[in-house]
This record gives sequence, structure tokens and C-alpha cells, in this order.
Amino acid sequence: GQQVMQIPQYQHVQEGEDFTTYCNSSTTLSNIQWYKQRPGGHPVFLIQLVKSGEVKKQKRLTFQFGEAKKNSSLHITATQTTDVGTYFCAGPERMGSSNTGKLIFGQGTTLQVKP
Amino acid sequence: NAGVTQTPKFRILKIGQSMTLQCTQDMNHNYMYWYRQDPGMGLKLIYYSVGAGITDKGEVPNGYNVSRSTTEDFPLRLELAAPSQTSVYFCASSWGRGRNQPQHFGDGTRLSIL
Repeated sequence: GQQVMQIPQYQHVQEGEDFTTYCNSSTTLSNIQWYKQRPGGHPVFLIQLVKSGEVKKQKRLTFQFGEAKKNSSLHITATQTTDVGTYFCAGPERMGSSNTGKLIFGQGTTLQVKP
Repeated sequence: NAGVTQTPKFRILKIGQSMTLQCTQDMNHNYMYWYRQDPGMGLKLIYYSVGAGITDKGEVPNGYNVSRSTTEDFPLRLELAAPSQTSVYFCASSWGRGRNQPQHFGDGTRLSIL
């Protein structure tokens, strides 16, 4: 079945270092979404990418959607302790030529930042 | 505007007991979802609904039931609690499937089965 895979599973960085998580889909995606879950919290939507090759920025966060629309990345510049959490990518499940309304989530990348 | 509200926030059940996890949203969203998240793991879809009166199974539906009698409410029922159902349960909602509108999550219910 359709799968979304994320690497790495865990990342420990020193505050101020950069961080990148990668997301790969087994199928071409119409869009990809990114969520952040703080420890003990719930997933919170960050951004959606739709276009091939799209790059979007939110302050120190840079999101990219691959040219083939099968992969994506999230890069954080100069991490801060407030960036701690698990970052999930998610792509829509396809059935034929339509989206079912369900999202296929990656397993997430857990980021820990040492102050 | 409360968004997605889940109750209770915490619960401890004995093996074999039953309970209903409540979820309500005030955003007039058509789509609603129930996920479970085991410690250190990702999200697994239990059930989802595309509108009132319509529900369908997700990846891990065994041991659970749902109903969707109104747009706002989507309760999740555990009939015979088992230790394997110890998890954090998240309810989520979204506007529709066009470009898969972002999902809005509730705060979760932390459930322990002892």
C-alpha cells in the first residue's frame, strides 16, 4: 500500500546547529503537509506544499517539495530549545484519481536540542 | 471558537470495562478522524467519517466502534478494554478532501488499561 517514510527517526543537536528531516513517499503526492507535536502535546499543522519544486519559509523553517512530488524536507536553521518536538510529514491517500480524505503520516522525526 | 474538544483528558480502565471517548468540533468540518499514538510512535488511523451518518475503518479498527449522528460529534467506543489499547487517542477534523485540507487535532485522551 501507499507509504510515507521519514528519516531520521531521532536527531539530537546542540542549540544553534541546523536540523533537517526528510520525507519520502511511495507514490506521487498531490500535496504534502507538515505537522509539529511538542512533547505531551498534539500534532499542530505547520504548512502545506502543493507545487512541484515548491519552497516555503516560516522564519527559521524551510520546507521543500521535490520536483517529482514524491519527497519533501524540513530544514531548521540555528535550532532553539523551542524547536523540540516530533515533526511529521503527511500525504493524502489516493484511490484511483481521487484523494480519499485520509492522510498517510510518516513515522515522525523527534528532535532534541541541547541548550 | 474551541476547535476540536476531547473528553476525558485522562482515564484508567480495568480490563474488560467499556468506555466512550468523546470528540466534538465547532468548525463545521465534514471530515473527522480518530487516531491512536503509542509511546514514541506515529499516528495510526482507527476510524474516520466523511460526514454525518457515514463512517469507515482505518488501519487499526479492531476493538473499537464509532458513530457520527451529527456533524459536530464523533465518539469512539471501546467495548472490552484490553491492555493493548493503552495509548493516547487523538480526534481530528478537516474541512474536506479537496487538496486534503489540514487536520485540526484535539488535545488527546490518555488511556491506560490495567
